[in-house]
Amino acid sequence: DGGITQSPKYLFRKEGQNVTLSCEQNLNHDAMYWYRQDPGQGLRLIYYSQIVNDFQKGDIAEGYSVSREKKESFPLTVTSAQKNPTAFYLCASSIATSRGNEQFFGPGTRLTVL
Amino acid sequence: QQPVQSPQAVILREGEDAVINCSSSKALYSVHWYRQKHGEAPVFLMILLKGGEQKGHEKISASFNEKKQQSSLYLTASQLSYSGTYFCGTGSDSWGKFQFGAGTQVVVTP
Repeated sequence: DGGITQSPKYLFRKEGQNVTLSCEQNLNHDAMYWYRQDPGQGLRLIYYSQIVNDFQKGDIAEGYSVSREKKESFPLTVTSAQKNPTAFYLCASSIATSRGNEQFFGPGTRLTVL
Repeated sequence: QQPVQSPQAVILREGEDAVINCSSSKALYSVHWYRQKHGEAPVFLMILLKGGEQKGHEKISASFNEKKQQSSLYLTASQLSYSGTYFCGTGSDSWGKFQFGAGTQVVVTP
């Protein structure tokens, strides 16, 4: 089955530590996205990538970093510079067509920084 | 700039109708609608492209007014399964940067 996987589902880290969230897709999609969701709030775009080896900052990129070395993978690193990293992180992918770019979401990773 | 959704929340009895609005200050190529259940990932409902489309998914339909950069989602004869948070998402081209509204929480009661 094609889809997007994120691991782990729950992640706990101590304050000041960097942590990397995994996102893998086997849908052969070109574009991938990282969103952050806080309780009762919408999805805010952190980074997105349209092709391998290229990515763009979203609306809240400070304190985060990404890489896109393979089409299937788009890991997100939450650095110690991110002041309030506890949140639900969602990865998505899409393929560009003339009908738009429907986003397919992974199950999410809930990060708690202690 | 994120699209603006209204209302923030709506409570319905089963069988009632509701409208959720989404507006943007930027020229849009597409508007997407998603529904998210608590603790789960958003699920795609439909895409509307510029050109004034109107689409439907079961008893959920939507319209896109390109001139006003607005979209509306219509929940008709609501069912308990319609409960969740509805998000509109907007893109200014066929792919690339994509932004979501803050969401509208819908609660359908028996």
